[in-house]
Amino acid sequence: DAKTTQPPSMDCAEGRAANLPCNHSTISGNEYVYWYRQIHSQGPQYIIHGLKNNETNEMASLIITEDRKSSTLILPHATLRDTAVYYCIVRVLNFGNEKLTFGTGTRLTIIP
Amino acid sequence: GAGVSQSPSNKVTEKGKDVELRCDPISGHTALYWYRQSLGQGLEFLIYFQGNSAPDKSGLPSDRFSAERTGGSVSTLTIQRTQQEDSAVYLCASSLAWTAYNEQFFGPGTRLTVL
Repeated sequence: DAKTTQPPSMDCAEGRAANLPCNHSTISGNEYVYWYRQIHSQGPQYIIHGLKNNETNEMASLIITEDRKSSTLILPHATLRDTAVYYCIVRVLNFGNEKLTFGTGTRLTIIP
Repeated sequence: GAGVSQSPSNKVTEKGKDVELRCDPISGHTALYWYRQSLGQGLEFLIYFQGNSAPDKSGLPSDRFSAERTGGSVSTLTIQRTQQEDSAVYLCASSLAWTAYNEQFFGPGTRLTVL
């Protein structure tokens, strides 16, 4: 069972920041928050992950609330190529828990 | 370097036939995963390999589904006596299992259509 809740869809204007929320109120202390995205007709692509500190890489930023019950993925300057389904996943990082459990995700549409 | 590759990219078969799907992981990746995505559905885990062994087969939907991996590299997913409900995109991913976090790199998938 997916342990996350995401809005089914969102729109964002091109060039603006896209903020994608995720609720994971039952997250355990040893579970990480991962984000993947799936552009139409392609396999999923890793974006970013974090435990409790905010994280930033070349693709996005991840903001995790202090109680870790929710997080936000931020695409700072959205482009049309960012149109995709975005999946928020929680998982434990130890051997034997390798699989990713995908929920329904958020379909993000970037508007020109 | 090359990413995960899968073949064929598309497969159309008749109900009752057997099909074999192939996955070539990224060189050096010891972990390999199979998922499937039915039309309009999310991704569903099927099976995971660590080397040539499969410690987690919990996602295989029936005994018509089997998978093997030889030489710690290429994997094949076999579906026997295909049914229409087997129609889906079958995705393969690989990762460096021995790192602190396991970023999974996905292939483009094989679209299976069972008529």
